[in-house]
Amino acid sequence: AQSVTQLDSHVSVSEGTPVLLRCNYSSSYSPSLFWYVQHPNKGLQLLLKYTSAATLVKGINGFEAEFKKSETSFHLTKPSAHMSDAAEYFCVVRGPYSGGYNKLIFGAGTRLAVHP
Amino acid sequence: DTAVSQTPKYLVTQMGNDKSIKCEQNLGHDTMYWYKQDSKKFLKIMFSYNNKELIINETVPNRFSPKSPDKAHLNLHINSLELGDSAVYFCASSQRTDGNTIYFGEGSWLTVV
Repeated sequence: AQSVTQLDSHVSVSEGTPVLLRCNYSSSYSPSLFWYVQHPNKGLQLLLKYTSAATLVKGINGFEAEFKKSETSFHLTKPSAHMSDAAEYFCVVRGPYSGGYNKLIFGAGTRLAVHP
Repeated sequence: DTAVSQTPKYLVTQMGNDKSIKCEQNLGHDTMYWYKQDSKKFLKIMFSYNNKELIINETVPNRFSPKSPDKAHLNLHINSLELGDSAVYFCASSQRTDGNTIYFGEGSWLTVV
């Protein structure tokens, strides 16, 4: 079965320092993986997705993630945090096709705090 | 223009009431969804419709009844609201049913008192 584990429930960084949000996945086949961001009282926005093309995926707002099959990881990084990056981040794996649908399976989320 | 819009954004209601949340997407997508986010921020799919037909129902109580009058709309009606229904409900859409690139609305915060 497909699943994702976000290794940190909270991450706190200073503005201008690198961001690392960790995600490990479990999948019985080559997965499709996503990162979504949710700002306070806002909906979910797709940051980036991996669908078996290049292993280093670039997303919006300077974020990128690297798919590492050997480590079953899909960590999200950004070289320099900005105050506006403070939000909840969700790692997501696409589940198997069943009943006419591929279900998205969400991780528990990582709350990113950015301090001045 | 908002791609996926849902109303109301905030709703406070008493136990036992019936309420609806409306959702519309202007992306021309064939598939729409309702997700529930609980107090721990955990997101789980509730329903999915493709071209007005229900294609997934994730063991949601039958007090919850989705209705899709056309492929651009998917409304959620909830009967006999319970305290445990308090959550954020997200509408979403995608081009196909393969779950690739789902666009979410901004959420509807439901509080049952």
